[in-house]
Formats: sequence, structure tokens, C-alpha cells
Amino acid sequence: DGGITQSPKYLFRKEGQNVTLSCEQNLNHDAMYWYRQDPGQGLRLIYYSQIVNDFQKGDIAEGYSVSREKKESFPLTVTSAQKNPTAFYLCASSPRQGGGYTFGSGTRLTVV
Amino acid sequence: QKEVEQDPGPLSVPEGAIVSLNCTYSNSAFQYFMWYRQYSRKGPELLMYTYSSGNKEDGRFTAQVDKSSKYISLFIRDSQPSDSATYLCATGVGAGSYQLTFGKGTKLSVIP
Repeated sequence: DGGITQSPKYLFRKEGQNVTLSCEQNLNHDAMYWYRQDPGQGLRLIYYSQIVNDFQKGDIAEGYSVSREKKESFPLTVTSAQKNPTAFYLCASSPRQGGGYTFGSGTRLTVV
Repeated sequence: QKEVEQDPGPLSVPEGAIVSLNCTYSNSAFQYFMWYRQYSRKGPELLMYTYSSGNKEDGRFTAQVDKSSKYISLFIRDSQPSDSATYLCATGVGAGSYQLTFGKGTKLSVIP
């Protein structure tokens, strides 16, 4: 079955460490997205990519980095520069012709 | 003014009730409209997708779009405890523009 796989489901990080969240899709979608979700804040866009080797900052890109070396993969690195990284992170993808996003099941990151 | 406004609730209804969830939007360029359902600690899943004004029905769910008043609704008939989730509305400009704008979500509880 086609879909988006995010891993790991839960992640714990010590302060000062970088951590990378994985997102892989087999839907042949062109665009991929990373969102952060906090209670009461809704979905906030971190980064998005419409094609391989190209990506744009979203509303809250500071302290995050991404790469898009393959169409199927869009990993997100949460760097030590991110002041408040504890959150639920969601990856999504969509086809070129528009339409709805398909979301992954999310990664819950906790800084300890 | 935020582009998409959604009452966060929480909304609590008895089993079997008709539920009405609503969003307003400000950008008249929005052409397609979606509703997502998100269970706790899961990624959102696409529930309904509509293009332009009108109604769309799928089982117990009806999505309604009124572009003249910039108002979108989701009706759930014969609500079930399994409908308890957060419902997010989303809008997009159209084909060729990938990005969606999300409401913050309304948390619904259906009490047995």
C-alpha cells in the first residue's frame, strides 16, 4: 500500500544535540512538507519542497534544516539552535496537480 | 485576520446527534476545500475534498462550501463515539499551487 512513513514514532534528545527525523513516501508525490503541531497552535509549516534538490522555508524554519536528494525522501534535522523543539512533527506529501495532502503518522520529539 | 478561522471547541455531543463544524476564510482565491480528521497522537487523514461551492456527501458526512460568504461546513449525521477526534479544515488556491492553509482544528467528543 502507498503511504508516508515517519520514523521514529517517539524520539528523545538531550539539549544541545541535533536530531534527524525521517520521512519516506511511495506515492510518487512531487511535493513534501514538514509541519510542527503544538497544543492550541494548529499546524505550522517548517519547510516544503516541490521538486528534488529544491526546498523553501515555511513560517517557522529557524533552527531546522532539510534536504531533498530523492523524490521519496525529505528528512528534517532539528538543530541545537531550535529553542523549543519539544513537539509533534508531521510530514506530508501531495501530487503536482494539487489536491489533498497525505500525512504520516508523526514523530513526537521530546528534549530531555 | 487569519486566513482560515476555526472554533477550537471543545465540542461535546451525545451519540446520535448531528454535528456541525465550521470554518471561515478570507482569501477569495481559495478554490478547493478539505476536511481532515485527526485522532489523538496520529497524523491527520483526509475525510472530505470539495472543489468550489456546493455540497458533497459521503456516508454520514456532508461537506458544504459557500464561497459567497467564505464559509465551509462539515456535518456529521448519527454521530458515533468513534467520531471523537480533532477536525481540521483546509483550503487551497488551486492546481499548480501546492500549499494548503489549515484551520487550527475543532476537538469533538461524542459521548455514548
